[in-house]
Parts: sequence; C-alpha cells; structure tokens
Amino acid sequence: DGGITQSPKYLFRKEGQNVTLSCEQNLNHDAMYWYRQDPGQGLRLIYYSQIVNDFQKGDIAEGYSVSREKKESFPLTVTSAQKNPTAFYLCASSIPGQGGNQPQHFGDGTRLSIL
Amino acid sequence: RKEVEQDPGPFNVPEGATVAFNCTYSNSASQSFFWYRQDCRKEPKLLMSVYSSGNEDGRFTAQLNRASQYISLLIRDSKLSDSATYLCVVRPSGGYNKLIFGAGTRLAVHP
Repeated sequence: DGGITQSPKYLFRKEGQNVTLSCEQNLNHDAMYWYRQDPGQGLRLIYYSQIVNDFQKGDIAEGYSVSREKKESFPLTVTSAQKNPTAFYLCASSIPGQGGNQPQHFGDGTRLSIL
Repeated sequence: RKEVEQDPGPFNVPEGATVAFNCTYSNSASQSFFWYRQDCRKEPKLLMSVYSSGNEDGRFTAQLNRASQYISLLIRDSKLSDSATYLCVVRPSGGYNKLIFGAGTRLAVHP
C-alpha cells in the first residue's frame, strides 16, 4: 500500500537539544511539505520541497531545518532555536500542483513535547 | 483577517440531521478548494475537492461561490461516524502547491 510514514509518533525534546522527525513516502510524489498544528489552529507551513535537492521556507521556518536528498524522504529537524516546539507535526506530499487541482496527502503525524 | 475563516463550532446534531458548514477566503485569485476531515488527534484526510459547478459525493455536497468567496459543505443524513473536525482548504494563486488551511469546524453527531 502506498503512503506516507512518519516516525516516531511521540517525541520528547530536552532543552537545548535538536531532534529530527522522519517522513518517508512511497507515492512517487515530487513535492513534500512539513506543517505544524497547534490546538484550535489551522495547519501552518514550515518548509516545502518541490523536487529533490531543493526546498523553500514556508511561513514559520525559524528554528527548523530540512533536507531533501532523496525523493522519498524529507526529514525535519527541530533545533534548539525553536523555543516553542510543542505541537503536532504533519508531513504531506503531492504531485506538484502548478495550475492543477492537486490535494496533499498526509502522514499520521508526530507529537513533539518538551521535557 | 485570516486567509481562510471557519466557524469553529461545535455543531451538535442528532443522527439523521442535515448540517451545513461555511468557509470564507480572502484571496479572490484562489484557484483550488478542498474539504478535509480530521479525527481527534489524527492526520487530516481529503474528503472532497470543490468544483465551481458544485459537486456531490454520496451524502456530502460541496459548493463554491467565487463572487462571495465562500465555500460550503452540506452533510445529509448525519452518521455517528461523521463526528470530526472539517477543514476548509484553499490553494491561492501561485507557482507551487501551497495550501492554506482553516482552523476547522467541529461536528459532533449524537444518537
């Protein structure tokens, strides 16, 4: 079955620590995205990548970093510079949607909390 | 003003009821529109795309009014399993597949 796999489901970060969230997809999608969801709020875009070896900042990129070395993988690092990291992190992928009506498909998320 | 606005609810309805959600968006050049469903503590899942002429998928009907910049979702014959948060999602004009998510409308269907 094709899909998006995020790991771990739950993650705890100590102060000053960087942590990395994994996102792997086997849908053969070129575009991948990272969102953050806080209670009662809509999803906010952190970073996105339209193609391998390229990525762009979203609306709230400060304190985060990404890489896109393989089409299937788009890991997100939450650095110690992100002072309020507690949130539900969602990875998504899609066919690049220029001019098209392309929905995004989501992994089942990682919940990050501060210890 | 938020780019995509929804009534947060909750909408509490009995089984079998018809319920409608509205959503407004601020960017008149927006190109694509979707409704996603999100269960408690789960990821959003695509419910349906919204087309200019309106579209139906079983008990669900979506409408788009570009002149007034609003989107609606109608659920007929509500089931207990319809209880979830419904996210209105808009793709503004632009060169990549950026989506703007509303905060969601919560629906609770009771026996």
